[in-house]
Amino acid sequence: DSGVTQTPKHLITATGQRVTLRCSPRSGDLSVYWYQQSLDQGLQFLIQYYNGEERAKGNILERFSAQQFPDLHSELNLSSLELGDSALYFCASSQAGAGVTGELFFGEGSRLTVL
Amino acid sequence: AQKVTQAQTEISVVEKEDVTLDCVYETRDTTYYLFWYKQPPSGELVFLIRRNSFDEQNEISGRYSWNFQKSTSSFNFTITASQVVDSAVYFCALNPADNFNKFYFGSGTKLNVKP
Repeated sequence: DSGVTQTPKHLITATGQRVTLRCSPRSGDLSVYWYQQSLDQGLQFLIQYYNGEERAKGNILERFSAQQFPDLHSELNLSSLELGDSALYFCASSQAGAGVTGELFFGEGSRLTVL
Repeated sequence: AQKVTQAQTEISVVEKEDVTLDCVYETRDTTYYLFWYKQPPSGELVFLIRRNSFDEQNEISGRYSWNFQKSTSSFNFTITASQVVDSAVYFCALNPADNFNKFYFGSGTKLNVKP
């Protein structure tokens, strides 16, 4: 158990819909990362937050947005869903940021299926 | 440029064989961190090891060992006496010290261990 909690574990929805994925980082970790892993694909970095502020942005579509709340949990919002958005979405937390590094600890992922 | 290359897309071995997973990285930083992660069929990403650029000592943990060679920019991972439970996708990652927020993942190597 990495200590990172993601909900929901599985989600099935239709094209055009909007979903929200939630992540609670490990206790004490201020950084939250979101990654997308499509079928047979590697890990695509989406976005990172550190203590509530966006710190790095990767290949995140404009239809996607994220935020980190004062209690450090994070949400990834995916809207106007398309079939190609079907993927495993990982949240990871780390001590990294503000001059400190640390390994990423990943949640179990949220598997999104868009029909 | 920061980049991680895992040239082996997929490897198949028979149980009890030794297997080495290659990882080659590119960075201009003198300080950086390297990681290996395991993704078993269940999907979660499990942290295996972190190594900083100033520590070239090889590390052994049970059947796992890691060979870090700065001269060849490689951080290879060897599993001795492989077991079926080692079947997974293995990812190598680079975290440069000039930006602790960034993690660069390789595309992963899928290891199949057959009984």
